[in-house]
Amino acid sequence: RKEVEQDPGPFNVPEGATVAFNCTYSNSASQSFFWYRQDCRKEPKLLMSVYSSGNEDGRFTAQLNRASQYISLLIRDSKLSDSATYLCVVNREGSQGNLIFGKGTKLSVKP
Amino acid sequence: DGGITQSPKYLFRKEGQNVTLSCEQNLNHDAMYWYRQDPGQGLRLIYYSQIVNDFQKGDIAEGYSVSREKKESFPLTVTSAQKNPTAFYLCASSIPGTGGYGYTFGSGTRLTVV
Repeated sequence: RKEVEQDPGPFNVPEGATVAFNCTYSNSASQSFFWYRQDCRKEPKLLMSVYSSGNEDGRFTAQLNRASQYISLLIRDSKLSDSATYLCVVNREGSQGNLIFGKGTKLSVKP
Repeated sequence: DGGITQSPKYLFRKEGQNVTLSCEQNLNHDAMYWYRQDPGQGLRLIYYSQIVNDFQKGDIAEGYSVSREKKESFPLTVTSAQKNPTAFYLCASSIPGTGGYGYTFGSGTRLTVV
């Protein structure tokens, strides 16, 4: 099983749609979870951290299920500017902060 | 403004030549990292350093070397032993022990070997 697995995508959705990304991770000892956004040919940028209680930032909602080792990201009322690749990221067990990145799911929002 | 500077943005080299990618940060972070990204792939860890004069191999260290003589600098050398060096290289820094919070990335160097 890969350390971090994501939906392969691409997801092509119309403006205003709600889209959900899923991610699973293999190491139950991981403690930190994130969603990063990466625009084409750019560096990844932190979108949001993910907490067990779930957290929301505007149109974005992240959920963590530790028992299932599952992370999700929900984007509501999607905008053209949301088009990017979304990376699921987990910290490496026992490390001082090394992160393991999923391959990413590409989102394309169309007018 | 604090941040990480990677240079150059684009780099072309002939096969068989060593090349060094620069990474400088003024965030006062102790930890620095080098990642490689291939098209359609996630980031893979090459080397990391938690403190000056110390560094560890990541998942794909073969064919690469690093040094950490100063806190601010973590250069990566892609040697001729690296079989497929063409990729997007990303440097990052963070405060150790924070579990991955506070990661900051540079804007990357796109290396093409011809």
